[in-house]
Amino acid sequence: DTGVSQNPRHKITKRGQNVTFRCDPISEHNRLYWYRQTLGQGPEFLTYFQNEAQLEKSRLLSDRFSAERPKGSFSTLEIQRTEQGDSAMYLCASSLANSGVSPLHFGNGTRLTVT
Amino acid sequence: DAKTTQPPSMDCAEGRAANLPCNHSTISGNEYVYWYRQIHSQGPQYIIHGLKNNETNEMASLIITEDRKSSTLILPHATLRDTAVYYCIVRDQAGTALIFGKGTTLSVSS
Repeated sequence: DTGVSQNPRHKITKRGQNVTFRCDPISEHNRLYWYRQTLGQGPEFLTYFQNEAQLEKSRLLSDRFSAERPKGSFSTLEIQRTEQGDSAMYLCASSLANSGVSPLHFGNGTRLTVT
Repeated sequence: DAKTTQPPSMDCAEGRAANLPCNHSTISGNEYVYWYRQIHSQGPQYIIHGLKNNETNEMASLIITEDRKSSTLILPHATLRDTAVYYCIVRDQAGTALIFGKGTTLSVSS
């Protein structure tokens, strides 16, 4: 069990650029979640997948954000036309869907800074 | 919105037990109580979860009141490395996303 892996750890970009983050979940986990966290706040849910299907999206996920999990393994989160308000830590988590109570396991996040 | 209420901060002396309270007065019968913690610049770390009965693992104990409207996370012998933000979360058996509040910042000092 190597844990949830996120890349890159840090990303600095200029306003208006597109960025993409990658998440590799724990290998047998079929659910994958994306969260966003700003300074001093708890993580905020963005979206989740079960296998390759995106089952839920938060209203926080504007149309500039898109997430994919094409083969039900790794996932990518893309932000188009970044804004300064997108600066945050983006967290990925995974879990088993065998029962609803399986805990989520988080990666250490990608910190995005938009200048 | 988060369904739990936690104190914003607590202090604990190293080596003593840390007891972190959580109120979840609107919890329903199929909702579990989860605890996570987050150390600066890391992702949240799962600690423990429970439904009705008290639970214990290598990290902590979870005490849930009989009416399930509140719970306490107990770190039996706090160390400096336990300094973190602790989140109490309720989640139903359908088990989709965890909804985080602001948590309790626990400061352990020597």
